[in-house]
Amino acid sequence: GIQVEQSPPDLILQEGANSTLRCNFSDSVNNLQWFHQNPWGQLINLFYIPSGTKQNGRLSATTVATERYSLLYISSSQTTDSGVYFCAGRDSGGSNYKLTFGKGTLLTVNP
Amino acid sequence: NAGVMQNPRHLVRRRGQEARLRCSPMKGHSHVYWYRQLPEEGLKFMVYLQKENIIDESGMPKERFSAEFPKEGPSILRIQQVVRGDSAAYFCASSPQRQGQPQHFGDGTRLSIL
Repeated sequence: GIQVEQSPPDLILQEGANSTLRCNFSDSVNNLQWFHQNPWGQLINLFYIPSGTKQNGRLSATTVATERYSLLYISSSQTTDSGVYFCAGRDSGGSNYKLTFGKGTLLTVNP
Repeated sequence: NAGVMQNPRHLVRRRGQEARLRCSPMKGHSHVYWYRQLPEEGLKFMVYLQKENIIDESGMPKERFSAEFPKEGPSILRIQQVVRGDSAAYFCASSPQRQGQPQHFGDGTRLSIL
């Protein structure tokens, strides 16, 4: 199966700062998704982005499928952005329905 | 539109008891997936079901775990004779078809084993 590597593993920001989170895949993936797991453990869908760029408020994401990576941008960070950010994708071959998750980036935004 | 509904949110069991976790997919979704998140880890696939069929259970532990998605009612993840190592967050996701659509996740069930 595919391997998903996220970087950095931990990130501490001051409120108002910008950040970029990265997700690398070992092989071609379909159906790439970004999630935010908040401090209450809820998993929030951020983006479904197999390719291209999408924006939603202060967040945007870019996936370059041919180079097997995706980026999540957070601008003007707020304390409510704290939590763990996961990327996940489906193997474009074989078992192309189950999502494989990275280990996440733990983001802490300080006031 | 109601999202994926999981219940209970929190479940406490003593070692040796049974745990039943329920998942109602989003309206119009016929595909259900279960994932497990052990402490300090990412989510790992357990099982993929369609109505009345288990399509892939390659991520399920070989013993004590079972899943179903009956024609009527929610999907059930059942853990028999629970042990401390079963303590985790269990997430259910649903999608309208196998590929080309995102999976939508519920809020999870946090299982604690005393």
